[in-house]
Amino acid sequence: AQSVAQPEDQVNVAEGNPLTVKCTYSVSGNPYLFWYVQYPNRGLQFLLKYITGDNLVKGSYGFEAEFNKSQTSFHLKKPSALVSDSALYFCAVRDGGNTGNQFYFGTGTSLTVIP
Amino acid sequence: DTGVSQDPRHKITKRGQNVTFRCDPISEHNRLYWYRQTLGQGPEFLTYFQNEAQLEKSRLLSDRFSAERPKGSFSTLEIQRTEQGDSAMYLCASSLGLGVDTQYFGPGTRLTVL
Repeated sequence: AQSVAQPEDQVNVAEGNPLTVKCTYSVSGNPYLFWYVQYPNRGLQFLLKYITGDNLVKGSYGFEAEFNKSQTSFHLKKPSALVSDSALYFCAVRDGGNTGNQFYFGTGTSLTVIP
Repeated sequence: DTGVSQDPRHKITKRGQNVTFRCDPISEHNRLYWYRQTLGQGPEFLTYFQNEAQLEKSRLLSDRFSAERPKGSFSTLEIQRTEQGDSAMYLCASSLGLGVDTQYFGPGTRLTVL
């Protein structure tokens, strides 16, 4: 069965420090991986995706993520955190071995950047 | 604003009533998705349209739920005989419809069933 795990409910980081939000996945076929961010009372905003190719993917607002097939991970990273990065982050996977188009989302990680 | 729009943004209803939500996708997006998000959880897939055809339905979509996309543009999600367990954020997303494309989400409709 397809699934996504975000092992940390909450991540706190000081402004200016690097941040990492973790994500691991389980699919039967090739994984197509996405990161979204959700601000209060707003919908999910797309950050970046991995479909194929270079394992390091760069996205919006200075975020990047590294696809690691052996560890089935797709951790979100940013070299220097901003207070405005504080939000809820969701990892999602679509199963390339499945002809369907639905995404499977993790439970989310709340990121707080401390000034 | 050319993003996905949803109406209403908030809906409060009494148990047993019917409610209907509307989603307007990004123009020219062929695929449209409905998700449900409860507090502390990620979005859960409900159903998906390719143009006007409903191609996938989750087991979460009980027979009290129905979705339509009659002309391949906007979509409606109706919940009949609402229950308190239906209280959630209902999210709509759309995508171009080319391969593994990115889904773009609307702001959601928050449903509260009293």
